[in-house]
Amino acid sequence: DARVTQTPRHKVTEMGQEVTMRCQPILGHNTVFWYRQTMMQGLELLAYFRNRAPLDDSGMPKDRFSAEMPDATLATLKIQPSEPRDSAVYFCASGLVGAGGNEQFFGPGTRLTVL
Amino acid sequence: GEDVEQSLFLSVREGDSSVINCTYTDSSSTYLYWYKQEPGAGLQLLTYIFSNMDMKQDQRLTVLLNKKDKHLSLRIADTQTGDSAIYFCADLTGANNLFFGTGTRLTVIP
Repeated sequence: DARVTQTPRHKVTEMGQEVTMRCQPILGHNTVFWYRQTMMQGLELLAYFRNRAPLDDSGMPKDRFSAEMPDATLATLKIQPSEPRDSAVYFCASGLVGAGGNEQFFGPGTRLTVL
Repeated sequence: GEDVEQSLFLSVREGDSSVINCTYTDSSSTYLYWYKQEPGAGLQLLTYIFSNMDMKQDQRLTVLLNKKDKHLSLRIADTQTGDSAIYFCADLTGANNLFFGTGTRLTVIP
């Protein structure tokens, strides 16, 4: 049963600390997305990769956020330093461009709370 | 870039129909999707419509597409409390990029 996994599921940290979120996309998928969801802003696209290359990270605050794909089985989203306004649920999704109408499969999310 | 817009909140009474609306801007869209997010979970594909169709029905769900106005809607007949969730529309552009709306939080009042 292939699915996207994310770790940690929950993270509570203090302002100024570094936070790293990890995602394992579905094997064989060539596109990976990072989203942030809050009650007031809804779902926002932060960045996405195709074949491990970053295609668009315009939704991401560049001064503190960074996204990487060190290999095809791992995507990371790092916040340094974290701020209370970063509190949100962060979703990773993967998909295969050109297959089945480009459906995206979402992970369960990482709920981040920055105090 | 593509802009996909939805209202953030919608409340309906149990048994009524819900209509969730979405507008998009890209004229080269190929597929349009509705995703559903249950509380505490990620998004899951609910249904989709190809851009050359104007309607798709699946049990209690009806998707309407007005391509001229770039307007997509999802109608849920006989809405139940279990339908309470966040519903996202998404647009697949001609460049094979998928853009999501912010999501509409549907609250069903018993």
